[in-house]
Amino acid sequence: DQQVKQNSPSLSVQEGRISILNCDYTNSMFDYFLWYKKYPAEGPTFLISISSIKDKNEDGRFTVFLNKSAKHLSLHIVPSQPGDSAVYFCAAKGNQGGKLIFGQGTELSVKP
Amino acid sequence: EAEVAQSPRYKITEKSQAVAFWCDPISGHATLYWYRQILGQGPELLVQFQDESVVDDSQLPKDRFSAERLKGVDSTLKIQPAELGDSAMYLCASRGPEEKLFFGSGTQLSVL
Repeated sequence: DQQVKQNSPSLSVQEGRISILNCDYTNSMFDYFLWYKKYPAEGPTFLISISSIKDKNEDGRFTVFLNKSAKHLSLHIVPSQPGDSAVYFCAAKGNQGGKLIFGQGTELSVKP
Repeated sequence: EAEVAQSPRYKITEKSQAVAFWCDPISGHATLYWYRQILGQGPELLVQFQDESVVDDSQLPKDRFSAERLKGVDSTLKIQPAELGDSAMYLCASRGPEEKLFFGSGTQLSVL
């Protein structure tokens, strides 16, 4: 039972263009959503987050959008840079216990 | 910037042997997590500690896995005996403000 889903295993984008990574969830009790970035053989690093009471959060080149009615969130990276190439995980937190539930990840490749 | 420390970075073992992983969270972080990530999948929670107490170990295979955090600071995860299917990256994380989890670099386990 996958509560957080990232249906695109990979995405390839040209440098300077926009990257859009998508994430769907099934549990309406999730109250916080986070995006993590992971390089091979390293632990995930926090990128950006959004509370369920908001629909948008922006930090530099990164913007996260939340559509609660559709149970969907997306991460926009503008402009994309080769150094953004990594695996991106979407994660959701329930209102009990604080654990994060992760999606399967999307591997982003930004080509020069 | 403070980091979550994990050791070893890599571990190769034969099946039926015992292995142990160590984690030292960021100072002052009361909540500690052990996650397991299989290649191509998202991290999955194995166990969550609040100080020295286990909060959630529902996904921990207790016949072979054990975890402790005796003084509420650093933690050890043990597998005995290791099986081929245990090959994965084992990630430790501690929880900071605003629901952010900070991950260590992980231990890459290969069971032969």
